[in-house]
Amino acid sequence: EAQVTQNPRYLITVTGKKLTVTCSQNMNHEYMSWYRQDPGLGLRQIYYSMNVEVTDKGDVPEGYKVSRKEKRNFPLILESPSPNQTSLYFCASIPRGMIGGYTFGSGTRLTVV
Amino acid sequence: RKEVEQDPGPFNVPEGATVAFNCTYSNSASQSFFWYRQDCRKEPKLLMSVYSSGNEDGRFTAQLNRASQYISLLIRDSKLSDSATYLCVVNRNNNDMRFGAGTRLTVKP
Repeated sequence: EAQVTQNPRYLITVTGKKLTVTCSQNMNHEYMSWYRQDPGLGLRQIYYSMNVEVTDKGDVPEGYKVSRKEKRNFPLILESPSPNQTSLYFCASIPRGMIGGYTFGSGTRLTVV
Repeated sequence: RKEVEQDPGPFNVPEGATVAFNCTYSNSASQSFFWYRQDCRKEPKLLMSVYSSGNEDGRFTAQLNRASQYISLLIRDSKLSDSATYLCVVNRNNNDMRFGAGTRLTVKP
């Protein structure tokens, strides 16, 4: 089944403890992206990647890192999480050249205390 | 001001009703437009693209007015299963997508 898989689905952590949210897609998509969703704000892009070893900042990159060493994986790293990073996170992918039809992962609900 | 604005609702309608949502966008250079549906605590899923000529998919009709910079979604004969949050999405270029905060719809028996 074609899908984007995120892990974990739920995570509660403490301020300052490094964490990684994994994202993997099996559709050979070039473009991958991370979003966070907060009430009243909609989805905001954190980072995106147009292909292997090519990453760029979105609208809200502060406090996050990403890497794209392989086409299928695009992990999101929080080196020192803070409570304002408590949010619902989505990974998404789309083939190069296609516009708009993102496939999203199931989401990761992160709480930083 | 947000780049994509939607009325958050909630819209509470009875089964069988017709309901319409509007969305406005501020960037006149935006190139393509979409409606996504998001069920509670789930991921967004593409509902339909929006074309200048308007387009229909079953009970759903989407329209775009570039001059006034707004997009609409009309749902006819609402079903209980239409209850969800509807996200207006505007693509600036190369998948630089801007999401509205969503309009919540509840269809009641």
